[in-house]
Amino acid sequence: EAGVAQSPRYKIIEKRQSVAFWCNPISGHATLYWYQQILGQGPKLLIQFQNNGVVDDSQLPKDRFSAERLKGVDSTLKIQPAKLEDSAVYLCASSSRGAGTGDYEQYFGPGTRLTVT
Amino acid sequence: QKEVEQDPGPLSVPEGAIVSLNCTYSNSAFQYFMWYRQYSRKGPELLMYTYSSGNKEDGRFTAQVDKSSKYISLFIRDSQPSDSATYLCAMSVPGAGSYQLTFGKGTKLSVIP
Repeated sequence: EAGVAQSPRYKIIEKRQSVAFWCNPISGHATLYWYQQILGQGPKLLIQFQNNGVVDDSQLPKDRFSAERLKGVDSTLKIQPAKLEDSAVYLCASSSRGAGTGDYEQYFGPGTRLTVT
Repeated sequence: QKEVEQDPGPLSVPEGAIVSLNCTYSNSAFQYFMWYRQYSRKGPELLMYTYSSGNKEDGRFTAQVDKSSKYISLFIRDSQPSDSATYLCAMSVPGAGSYQLTFGKGTKLSVIP
C-alpha cells in the first residue's frame, strides 16, 4: 500500500511571497489532515477534511492560509503572504473511516519543510 | 497550561537500557491515547494505541495509562540504537468523525551503542 505523498519536500521563500503544498493521501482514505510542526514542537492541526468537505478549520489562520480538497482525493495548502513565523514542517495525514484497524490511526506523509527568510 | 505536557528531553541512554517516556494531560475528555515515533526528517508513525487505563504490551514496548492521574507512559525494554527518534504522545476526544489528535512536544531519545 502506497503511503501519503507530499511535495515539495523542501521550500525556501522570502517573507510576503506565496507558497503551495500538495498532498495525495492513501487510496480510499476519506479523511485528510494538515498539520503544522514548528521545530521542537508537536504537530498542530490546521484543517481536517472529510471527503471534500471541511470538518474543522478552527486553527487555520484564514487571513493567510487556505486549503482545498477538490474531488475528495488530493489536497493543496496555500500560504499567502508568508511570514517568518510560518517556517515549519507541514505534515499531511490521512485516515480511513470504518477500516479494520479502526478510525483512530492517522498515516503521515514525510512533510514539507518550509523556510521563510 | 497546555492540554498535553511532555518533557522534550533530550534523553540519552546506553543500548539495552529501559526507557521511560511520560506525558501528562489536563483535559478529562481525552479517551484515546497514542504514542507516535518520528525519525529525523520523517513523518510520525503510530507505535502504540490504547483507550483504557492499564497496560498494553507490544514486543519491547509497553504503554501505560492512568486516567485518574491524567498520566501516560511508554516503556521501551532492551533499547536499541534504532529506537533513536522523537517520541510524541497524542490524545483525542471521541467524536462522530475521525479523531482529532492533540500532540505533546515530543521527547528526543538517543540510544548509544
